Amino acid sequence: AQTVTQSQPEMSVQEAETVTLSCTYDTSESDYYLFWYKQPPSRQMILVIRQEAYKQQNATENRFSVNFQKAAKSFSLKISDSQLGDAAMYFCAYSTGNQFYFGTGTSLTVIP
Amino acid sequence: NAGVTQTPKFQVLKTGQSMTLQCAQDMNHEYMSWYRQDPGMGLRLIHYSVGAGITDQGEVPNGYNVSRSTTEDFPLRLLSAAPSQTSVYFCASKPGAFSTEAFFGQGTRLTVV
Repeated sequence: AQTVTQSQPEMSVQEAETVTLSCTYDTSESDYYLFWYKQPPSRQMILVIRQEAYKQQNATENRFSVNFQKAAKSFSLKISDSQLGDAAMYFCAYSTGNQFYFGTGTSLTVIP
Repeated sequence: NAGVTQTPKFQVLKTGQSMTLQCAQDMNHEYMSWYRQDPGMGLRLIHYSVGAGITDQGEVPNGYNVSRSTTEDFPLRLLSAAPSQTSVYFCASKPGAFSTEAFFGQGTRLTVV
């Protein structure tokens, strides 16, 4: 069974600092996709970054980057130069196509 | 460009009542899906569809029905609401089953009393 684990229910970071959110997953598939979604208080699910499992290079989107360790089944999100607008719930997700599996989320607080 | 539109945004039901949550997308996406989000449990897949006339069950399908008569619409029906169905419901779509990015609606907060 596919599972996604986010072991940090809550995290905080000082504005302009760097924070890393952890995610591990379990799968027997060799081809899959990994995602980080942001959910602000508005409830909207916003795609932050995605990673194809067959790509060895870690994905980067502006201040957001991932550390993808396929053998360890680890997919952490690094947010650099944190901004007040980064405060939200962050969900790690795994997909093989038809189904998405989400972690339980990490609530990120940004301290001014 | 509306994207994925869910209606209503909020709903209160009495136990045993039925209702339909609406989901429409204007991006001509083949794949559509419904999730529920409960505190401490992330999002869980209820049902999905890979095209008009084709639906399948996800992780938590009990108590919900779906149909897909058009590419644009994917309604979720609760035939007899129960308090355990109190949740936030999200509809999502993507171009195809193996497309990487899913587009989410803004969610429906449903309370069953």
